[in-house]
Amino acid sequence: DPKIIQKPKYLVAVTGSEKILICEQYLGHNAMYWYRQSAKKPLEFMFSYSYQKLMDNQTASSRFQPQSSKKNHLDLQITALKPDDSATYFCASSQTNQDTQYFGPGTRLLVL
Amino acid sequence: AQSVTQPDARVTVSEGASLQLRCKYSSSVTPYLFWYVQYPRQGLQLLLKYYSGDPVVQGVNGFEAEFSKSNSSFHLRKASVHWSDSAVYFCAVSYTGNYKYVFGAGTRLKVIA
Repeated sequence: DPKIIQKPKYLVAVTGSEKILICEQYLGHNAMYWYRQSAKKPLEFMFSYSYQKLMDNQTASSRFQPQSSKKNHLDLQITALKPDDSATYFCASSQTNQDTQYFGPGTRLLVL
Repeated sequence: AQSVTQPDARVTVSEGASLQLRCKYSSSVTPYLFWYVQYPRQGLQLLLKYYSGDPVVQGVNGFEAEFSKSNSSFHLRKASVHWSDSAVYFCAVSYTGNYKYVFGAGTRLKVIA
Protein backbone atom coordinates (compact mmCIF):
# COMPACT_ATOMS: atom_id res chain seq x y z
CA ASP A 1 0.00 0.00 0.00
CA PRO A 2 1.31 3.45 -0.81
CA LYS A 3 2.48 5.29 2.25
CA ILE A 4 2.38 8.75 0.73
CA ILE A 5 -0.64 9.53 -1.38
CA GLN A 6 -0.77 12.44 -3.79
CA LYS A 7 -3.92 13.39 -5.62
CA PRO A 8 -4.57 13.85 -8.42
CA LYS A 9 -1.89 12.07 -10.39
CA TYR A 10 -2.37 14.35 -13.39
CA LEU A 11 -3.95 17.78 -13.53
CA VAL A 12 -4.65 20.09 -16.44
CA ALA A 13 -5.60 23.66 -15.65
CA VAL A 14 -6.20 26.88 -17.54
CA THR A 15 -4.17 30.01 -16.96
CA GLY A 16 -5.58 32.09 -14.14
CA SER A 17 -7.41 29.27 -12.40
CA GLU A 18 -6.79 27.82 -8.95
CA LYS A 19 -5.98 24.24 -8.00
CA ILE A 20 -5.28 22.29 -4.85
CA LEU A 21 -2.79 19.44 -4.78
CA ILE A 22 -3.44 16.87 -2.08
CA CYS A 23 -0.83 15.05 -0.01
CA GLU A 24 -1.45 12.51 2.74
CA GLN A 25 1.20 10.43 4.45
CA TYR A 26 0.64 7.29 6.48
CA LEU A 27 4.15 6.88 7.82
CA GLY A 28 3.46 8.54 11.15
CA HIS A 29 5.87 11.33 10.27
CA ASN A 30 5.84 14.76 11.84
CA ALA A 31 7.48 16.75 9.06
CA MET A 32 6.22 17.24 5.53
CA TYR A 33 7.57 19.02 2.47
CA TRP A 34 6.78 20.14 -1.04
CA TYR A 35 9.23 20.05 -3.93
CA ARG A 36 8.81 21.01 -7.58
CA GLN A 37 10.38 19.36 -10.60
CA SER A 38 10.11 21.24 -13.87
CA ALA A 39 11.61 20.69 -17.28
CA LYS A 40 13.94 23.66 -16.83
CA LYS A 41 15.16 23.17 -13.28
CA PRO A 42 16.18 20.33 -11.01
CA LEU A 43 14.05 19.35 -8.06
CA GLU A 44 13.53 22.43 -5.95
CA PHE A 45 12.53 22.68 -2.34
CA MET A 46 9.37 24.75 -1.80
CA PHE A 47 8.06 24.39 1.76
CA SER A 48 8.57 22.46 4.92
CA TYR A 49 6.20 21.91 7.81
CA SER A 50 6.91 20.40 11.19
CA TYR A 51 4.06 19.51 13.55
CA GLN A 52 1.74 21.43 11.23
CA LYS A 53 3.75 24.62 11.50
CA LEU A 54 5.52 26.27 8.58
CA MET A 55 9.27 25.97 9.05
CA ASP A 56 10.64 27.21 5.77
CA ASN A 57 9.28 28.80 2.62
CA GLN A 58 11.57 29.01 -0.40
CA THR A 59 8.84 29.94 -2.85
CA ALA A 60 8.97 33.55 -3.88
CA SER A 61 5.37 33.73 -4.97
CA SER A 62 2.46 34.04 -2.55
CA ARG A 63 0.35 32.24 -5.14
CA PHE A 64 1.62 29.02 -3.56
CA GLN A 65 0.05 28.35 -0.18
CA PRO A 66 0.49 25.12 1.79
CA GLN A 67 -2.41 24.02 3.95
CA SER A 68 -2.13 21.55 6.82
CA SER A 69 -5.55 20.56 8.13
CA LYS A 70 -4.24 17.42 9.87
CA LYS A 71 -0.87 16.25 11.06
CA ASN A 72 -0.53 13.84 8.14
CA HIS A 73 -1.85 16.21 5.48
CA LEU A 74 -0.05 18.95 3.61
CA ASP A 75 -1.98 20.26 0.64
CA LEU A 76 -0.70 22.85 -1.79
CA GLN A 77 -3.03 25.55 -3.07
CA ILE A 78 -1.90 27.35 -6.22
CA THR A 79 -3.80 30.42 -7.35
CA ALA A 80 -3.67 32.47 -10.55
CA LEU A 81 -1.98 29.62 -12.36
CA LYS A 82 0.57 30.39 -15.05
CA PRO A 83 2.03 28.15 -17.77
CA ASP A 84 5.40 28.36 -15.96
CA ASP A 85 3.80 26.56 -13.01
CA SER A 86 3.66 23.44 -15.16
CA ALA A 87 5.75 20.88 -13.31
CA THR A 88 5.57 17.76 -11.25
CA TYR A 89 4.99 18.55 -7.59
CA PHE A 90 6.32 16.08 -5.06
CA CYS A 91 5.28 15.78 -1.47
CA ALA A 92 7.72 14.26 1.01
CA SER A 93 7.76 13.45 4.70
CA SER A 94 10.21 12.52 7.43
CA GLN A 95 10.01 11.46 11.03
CA THR A 96 11.37 14.79 12.17
CA ASN A 97 12.82 17.62 10.19
CA GLN A 98 16.28 16.14 10.62
CA ASP A 99 15.58 12.74 9.15
CA THR A 100 15.61 11.07 5.78
CA GLN A 101 12.77 12.22 3.55
CA TYR A 102 10.45 9.88 1.70
CA PHE A 103 8.70 11.03 -1.44
CA GLY A 104 5.26 10.56 -2.86
CA PRO A 105 4.58 9.69 -6.52
CA GLY A 106 3.98 13.30 -7.52
CA THR A 107 1.24 15.32 -9.19
CA ARG A 108 1.96 16.33 -12.74
CA LEU A 109 0.43 19.74 -13.41
CA LEU A 110 0.00 21.20 -16.87
CA VAL A 111 -1.18 24.78 -17.19
CA LEU A 112 -2.49 25.79 -20.61
CA ALA B 1 25.26 28.71 -1.62
CA GLN B 2 25.24 24.97 -1.51
CA SER B 3 25.01 23.16 -4.81
CA VAL B 4 25.12 19.65 -6.18
CA THR B 5 26.58 18.79 -9.56
CA GLN B 6 25.89 15.65 -11.49
CA PRO B 7 28.10 16.18 -14.52
CA ASP B 8 26.60 13.45 -16.66
CA ALA B 9 23.09 14.15 -17.86
CA ARG B 10 22.85 10.80 -19.64
CA VAL B 11 24.75 7.55 -19.25
CA THR B 12 24.35 4.44 -21.35
CA VAL B 13 25.82 1.13 -20.26
CA SER B 14 25.46 -2.45 -21.37
CA GLU B 15 23.65 -4.92 -19.19
CA GLY B 16 26.11 -6.66 -16.92
CA ALA B 17 28.64 -3.85 -17.07
CA SER B 18 29.73 -1.86 -14.07
CA LEU B 19 28.38 1.61 -13.39
CA GLN B 20 29.54 4.80 -11.77
CA LEU B 21 27.38 7.90 -11.53
CA ARG B 22 29.16 10.99 -10.34
CA CYS B 23 28.07 13.54 -7.78
CA LYS B 24 29.96 16.49 -6.38
CA TYR B 25 28.76 18.96 -3.79
CA SER B 26 29.88 22.44 -3.03
CA SER B 27 29.92 23.54 0.58
CA SER B 28 32.36 24.29 3.36
CA VAL B 29 30.91 21.66 5.66
CA THR B 30 30.21 18.00 5.09
CA PRO B 31 26.54 17.49 4.34
CA TYR B 32 24.28 14.53 4.68
CA LEU B 33 24.32 12.79 1.30
CA PHE B 34 21.65 10.82 -0.50
CA TRP B 35 21.03 9.01 -3.73
CA TYR B 36 17.47 8.64 -4.98
CA VAL B 37 16.18 6.85 -8.05
CA GLN B 38 13.14 7.82 -10.09
CA TYR B 39 11.63 5.16 -12.32
CA PRO B 40 9.37 6.28 -15.18
CA ARG B 41 6.15 7.87 -13.98
CA GLN B 42 7.01 7.19 -10.34
CA GLY B 43 8.22 9.15 -7.35
CA LEU B 44 11.68 9.17 -5.87
CA GLN B 45 12.91 6.15 -4.00
CA LEU B 46 15.81 6.27 -1.57
CA LEU B 47 18.78 4.14 -2.65
CA LEU B 48 21.20 4.98 0.13
CA LYS B 49 22.39 7.71 2.45
CA TYR B 50 25.55 8.80 4.20
CA TYR B 51 25.67 10.64 7.48
CA SER B 52 29.09 9.73 8.88
CA GLY B 53 31.50 6.83 9.45
CA ASP B 54 32.59 4.33 6.82
CA PRO B 55 32.83 6.28 3.55
CA VAL B 56 31.43 3.36 1.56
CA VAL B 57 27.75 2.85 2.14
CA GLN B 58 25.64 0.03 0.86
CA GLY B 59 22.17 0.58 -0.54
CA VAL B 60 19.37 -1.38 -2.08
CA ASN B 61 19.56 -3.52 -5.21
CA GLY B 62 23.36 -3.83 -5.11
CA PHE B 63 24.12 -0.12 -5.21
CA GLU B 64 26.83 1.44 -3.12
CA ALA B 65 28.33 4.89 -2.88
CA GLU B 66 31.62 6.25 -1.70
CA PHE B 67 32.04 9.55 0.08
CA SER B 68 35.25 11.48 -0.43
CA LYS B 69 35.74 14.54 1.71
CA SER B 70 38.86 15.59 -0.14
CA ASN B 71 37.02 15.52 -3.45
CA SER B 72 33.64 16.67 -2.12
CA SER B 73 32.12 13.76 -3.94
CA PHE B 74 29.62 10.98 -3.38
CA HIS B 75 29.73 8.72 -6.41
CA LEU B 76 27.25 5.91 -6.91
CA ARG B 77 28.42 2.50 -8.12
CA LYS B 78 27.06 -0.84 -9.09
CA ALA B 79 29.12 -3.85 -10.10
CA SER B 80 26.71 -5.26 -12.67
CA VAL B 81 23.70 -3.37 -14.00
CA HIS B 82 20.40 -4.86 -15.05
CA TRP B 83 18.00 -3.48 -17.65
CA SER B 84 15.60 -2.67 -14.81
CA ASP B 85 18.12 -0.15 -13.45
CA SER B 86 17.21 2.20 -16.28
CA ALA B 87 15.93 5.30 -14.51
CA VAL B 88 16.91 8.79 -13.44
CA TYR B 89 19.27 9.00 -10.49
CA PHE B 90 19.42 12.03 -8.23
CA CYS B 91 22.09 12.99 -5.78
CA ALA B 92 20.95 15.22 -2.91
CA VAL B 93 22.43 16.89 0.15
CA SER B 94 21.11 18.37 3.33
CA TYR B 95 22.77 20.02 6.28
CA THR B 96 22.44 19.93 10.03
CA GLY B 97 19.78 22.39 11.07
CA ASN B 98 18.64 22.93 7.49
CA TYR B 99 16.43 20.09 6.45
CA LYS B 100 15.68 21.09 2.90
CA TYR B 101 17.28 18.90 0.30
CA VAL B 102 19.34 20.36 -2.51
CA PHE B 103 19.23 18.13 -5.55
CA GLY B 104 21.47 17.68 -8.51
CA ALA B 105 20.00 17.83 -11.98
CA GLY B 106 19.89 14.05 -12.23
CA THR B 107 21.53 11.46 -14.45
CA ARG B 108 19.38 9.46 -16.83
CA LEU B 109 20.69 5.91 -16.99
CA LYS B 110 19.90 3.69 -19.93
CA VAL B 111 20.88 0.04 -19.77
CA ILE B 112 21.06 -1.68 -23.13
CA ALA B 113 21.21 -5.34 -24.02
